[in-house]
Amino acid sequence: QVQLVQSGAEVKKPGASVKVSCKVSGYTLTELSMHWVRQAPGKGLEWMGGFDPEDGETIYAQKFQGRVTMTEDTSTDTAYMELSSLRSEDTAVYYCATDSSSSGDFDYWGQGTLVTVSS
Amino acid sequence: NFMLTQPHSVSESPGKTVTISCTRSSGSIASNYVQWYQQRPGSAPTTVIYEDNQRPSGVPDRFSGSIDSSSNSASLTISGLKTEDEADYYCQSYDSSNRGWVFGGGTKLTVL
Repeated sequence: QVQLVQSGAEVKKPGASVKVSCKVSGYTLTELSMHWVRQAPGKGLEWMGGFDPEDGETIYAQKFQGRVTMTEDTSTDTAYMELSSLRSEDTAVYYCATDSSSSGDFDYWGQGTLVTVSS
Repeated sequence: NFMLTQPHSVSESPGKTVTISCTRSSGSIASNYVQWYQQRPGSAPTTVIYEDNQRPSGVPDRFSGSIDSSSNSASLTISGLKTEDEADYYCQSYDSSNRGWVFGGGTKLTVL
């Protein structure tokens, strides 16, 4: 059973960066395809990027390219999502989610991290 | 790019059956598997259907999924509705052309 535990809520000023962590247990990070999904208040789910097992690369949604970086520390089984040049529209709950069987099903999710961008 | 379009909301009475649609704007709905997620307020999403029509263990067989190439859409059907089914439901699929994942806008199910 995979468990994903995310870091706590953050408050950032416009223009700043935020880095959210996602600690994996039950599996090793190398066995999983990790993705990041965000949800603005009262809005739907939005895929930001994730690991593509077909070519072993991390791919980003076009909307976030140049502003988001997703990394992994396999020594601690922790994934990170850093979003820069924050604006108020980035206020959202950010989720890590895994596709443990590389089938396209995001079968395990973290609890979510609220990032608030406010001056 | 393609979009997945869902009705904003649906409502039905307990014990009845409801179907939520998810229409793909371009390309064939059969090209990539469709997943369905349930999200209750304040919680992370959970999978109720994967690979078009497969149910994860623990999901009741009241939940079923299908695709229809003629309407280029996927459907989530919930029978014998219970008040606990009240939640937001999202469809999701892979965009092979742009190498990314797409979510539908979500449907709020009210069981009243």
